[in-house]
Amino acid sequence: DQQVKQNSPSLSVQEGRISILNCDYTNSMFDYFLWYKKYPAEGPTFLISISSIKDKNEDGRFTVFLNKSAKHLSLHIVPSQPGDSAVYFCAASRNTNAGKSTFGDGTTLTVKP
Amino acid sequence: DAGVIQSPRHEVTEMGQEVTLRCKPISGHDYLFWYRQTMMRGLELLIYFNNNVPIDDSGMPEDRFSAKMPNASFSTLKIQPSEPRDSAVYFCASSPERGYQQPQHFGDGTRLSIL
Repeated sequence: DQQVKQNSPSLSVQEGRISILNCDYTNSMFDYFLWYKKYPAEGPTFLISISSIKDKNEDGRFTVFLNKSAKHLSLHIVPSQPGDSAVYFCAASRNTNAGKSTFGDGTTLTVKP
Repeated sequence: DAGVIQSPRHEVTEMGQEVTLRCKPISGHDYLFWYRQTMMRGLELLIYFNNNVPIDDSGMPEDRFSAKMPNASFSTLKIQPSEPRDSAVYFCASSPERGYQQPQHFGDGTRLSIL
């Protein structure tokens, strides 16, 4: 049973436009969510996070939205840049499992110049 | 400050051989995680440690896999005997205490190929 799902394996966007990456989860006990970015031949790196007590968190060009009732979160990148081309992983954690995150399968974002 | 260091970066070996992957976490981090990434299963957690003690090894695929953390600055993941289906990229990650709200810091991975 996959508890964190990223249903779109890939997304292609034109430079300057908005990129929207989606993530769904099934476990209502999750209370903290993170996005990681991964370039080829490198490990994932932390991008942005959100606590379940919030519905939005913004950091520069990156904004994460959380809809708890729908068990859905999304990452918005505005404006998209070619350097944003990478695999994006959604991850979820819960306080009772301190330290452990459950990852989605990732979405490959391609930003075309 | 040095990040998580994994070695080797690439490993090619024949089926049946013992494989040892190594990880040095970030100094001061209390959690250490081992992940495996494959096309079929994505990024899956194999095992994680807190203060050198294994907390959850439910993701370890079978008895051929073992992991140790003899001290705060070193961990190994061992496969014995190795099989072609173990071919994957193995990542090590670490995070500080109060880990569930702390992002994990990943190494660059070990690409393992079992022939």
